[in-house]
Amino acid sequence: AQSVTQLGSHVSVSEGALVLLRCNYSSSVPPYLFWYVQYPNQGLQLLLKYTTGATLVKGINGFEAEFKKSETSFHLTKPSAHMSDAAEYFCAVSASRNNNDMRFGAGTRLTVKP
Amino acid sequence: DAGITQSPRHKVTETGTPVTLRCHQTENHRYMYWYRQDPGHGLRLIHYSYGVKDTDKGEVSDGYSVSRSKTEDFLLTLESATSSQTSVYFCAISELALSSYGYTFGSGTRLTVV
Repeated sequence: AQSVTQLGSHVSVSEGALVLLRCNYSSSVPPYLFWYVQYPNQGLQLLLKYTTGATLVKGINGFEAEFKKSETSFHLTKPSAHMSDAAEYFCAVSASRNNNDMRFGAGTRLTVKP
Repeated sequence: DAGITQSPRHKVTETGTPVTLRCHQTENHRYMYWYRQDPGHGLRLIHYSYGVKDTDKGEVSDGYSVSRSKTEDFLLTLESATSSQTSVYFCAISELALSSYGYTFGSGTRLTVV
């Protein structure tokens, strides 16, 4: 079965600094990959997704992620962190066209320092 | 919001008592899901539904049952609550089963079993 590993349960950056959240996946077939964000006391919100085609995917709020098959990675980046980016971020993988096998990572909490 | 509400938002219950959580959607989406979120585990699928009266088990279904008698409502029942079921429960919906669409999540129910 497919799985996701998020490296670093907690990442702290200064406002204006680069944000890099790491995600590695395991899948025996070409995966569908997702990043979700969760703000305090809220549900998860889809940030971006990779299905097929262009490997650099742009999402909301200035985030983007690059699918690298050779590295089995789907890292999330943002050039300049804002205070409002403080949240928990989840990477997810699905190995089929069926949503029912989607697997989530354990999450990375992003803190942004003034 | 996308028209998905969960109730109650918070609940404290005693070990051995039955508990029912409700997910209500106004989007007329066919697919509905129940996840639990635990520190270090991310989100894990409990049960899902692909139509009225059509449900199936997920990754961590033991101790849980579900029902869907109407398109808009998906109920999660803990038949006899245990302390290991203390968690945050999220409902999600999707219009299609295709993984490329991602999910829309509710705001969650925080359940404490004492």
